[in-house]
Amino acid sequence: DIVMTQSPDSLAVSLGERATINCKSSQSVLYSSNNNDYLAWYQQKPGQPPRLLISWASTRESGVPDRFSGSGSGTDFTLTISSLQAEDVAIYYCQQYYHPPFNFGQGTKLEIK
Amino acid sequence: EVQLADSGGGLVQPGGSLRLSCAASGFTFSDYYMDWVRQVPGKGLEWVGRVRNKANRYTTDYAASVKGRFTISRDDSKNSLYLQMSSLKTEDTAVYYCTRVGSYGKYDYWGQGTLVTVSS
Repeated sequence: DIVMTQSPDSLAVSLGERATINCKSSQSVLYSSNNNDYLAWYQQKPGQPPRLLISWASTRESGVPDRFSGSGSGTDFTLTISSLQAEDVAIYYCQQYYHPPFNFGQGTKLEIK
Repeated sequence: EVQLADSGGGLVQPGGSLRLSCAASGFTFSDYYMDWVRQVPGKGLEWVGRVRNKANRYTTDYAASVKGRFTISRDDSKNSLYLQMSSLKTEDTAVYYCTRVGSYGKYDYWGQGTLVTVSS
């Protein structure tokens, strides 16, 4: 099984500042045949289901603000929020969809400092 | 508009059974793989299992924690997804979400979730 590990577990950032969340997979999720990383990022606010933010490690979904960006390849990935807004307070999860079981990271709780 | 409506949750005793449903609308349900994901209240997300589409013979995969106890099925004529849960354990207590599997595996739509509580 591919184990996903996020860091940190929680993060407090001032409004307007940059937030960075890391995700590491226990084995590569890069599919060599198409050179795509099977890695997604989700945002979950209290009382709501998760929302897909980024797929293929760096492709922002429609409607997602451009302050959200994803980077990385292979086993190491990063979600960056360039300028934190109050509405970004949430828990963020990475997930690999390369091979079952399609494991998630443990989540990173993002708060306002 | 794509919508997924989870239902069927409730209180069940350990060892009991329960069937969850997910009614889909706003897209061609039969074209898509569908997954179930669960979340213990206050905890992280756990993949439960997948059912593929007719073109892929409705094959299924399950997490090790539920294999042999849970069964995922679908009825394309009713645009519905199901999760039959049996031999339930207290550790199966969670909110269960149905999800649409978008291109190659990302979860592009989620239901609102249905709470299953396993307790005596």
